[in-house]
Amino acid sequence: QQQVKQSPQSLIVQKGGISIINCAYENTAFDYFPWYQQFPGKGPALLIAIRPDVSEKKEGRFTISFNKSAKQFSLHIMDSQPGDSATYFCAARVGNQGGKLIFGQGTELSVKP
Amino acid sequence: DVKVTQSSRYLVKRTGEKVFLECVQDMDHENMFWYRQDPGLGLRLIYFSYDVKMKEKGDIPEGYSVSREKKERFSLILESASTNQTSMYLCASTEITSGRSVEQYFGPGTRLTVT
Repeated sequence: QQQVKQSPQSLIVQKGGISIINCAYENTAFDYFPWYQQFPGKGPALLIAIRPDVSEKKEGRFTISFNKSAKQFSLHIMDSQPGDSATYFCAARVGNQGGKLIFGQGTELSVKP
Repeated sequence: DVKVTQSSRYLVKRTGEKVFLECVQDMDHENMFWYRQDPGLGLRLIYFSYDVKMKEKGDIPEGYSVSREKKERFSLILESASTNQTSMYLCASTEITSGRSVEQYFGPGTRLTVT
């Protein structure tokens, strides 16, 4: 019940295309859903995040869509660029547990020029 | 800018050795975390600490221990390293505001190989 399931494991997209990564969860006590981006040789860094009372959040080319009833959320990268090539992790915060995050399995995105 | 530093980027140890991984953050954050990252498994929480000398087990604490003697420093200890502990280890910290944390800041990671 604490798991966050992420798919696909890897994704290849042409430059200018849309990248879509999906996550699903079971625990209704999760209260915050961030996405982290990790470049090779670096630690993950927060990209964008959403709270469950909002259905969509957009920041530039990055959008989170959140479906509370289905317990699913997804990251959309519009106009994907080679510089977006990285590993993406969805996560869910466990409420009242000191900021503890449960991470998905990760998606390795490659954007071809 | 928040900075989380880890003592080594790469480490090679032998089976049975005691291994110390050090993490330091410079933003006076209350909570600190140790994760291991393995392909296809994402980031899994080993231990976290919400105050000096306080610790909580994460999802995979077996074979690990931690120490937090000062607020800025959180150490991960492998008492007797084994080959299945070969992995990337990531440290993170977060501040608590109004009883809630928001962003976790990660260090660059330590790639540990146990032979």
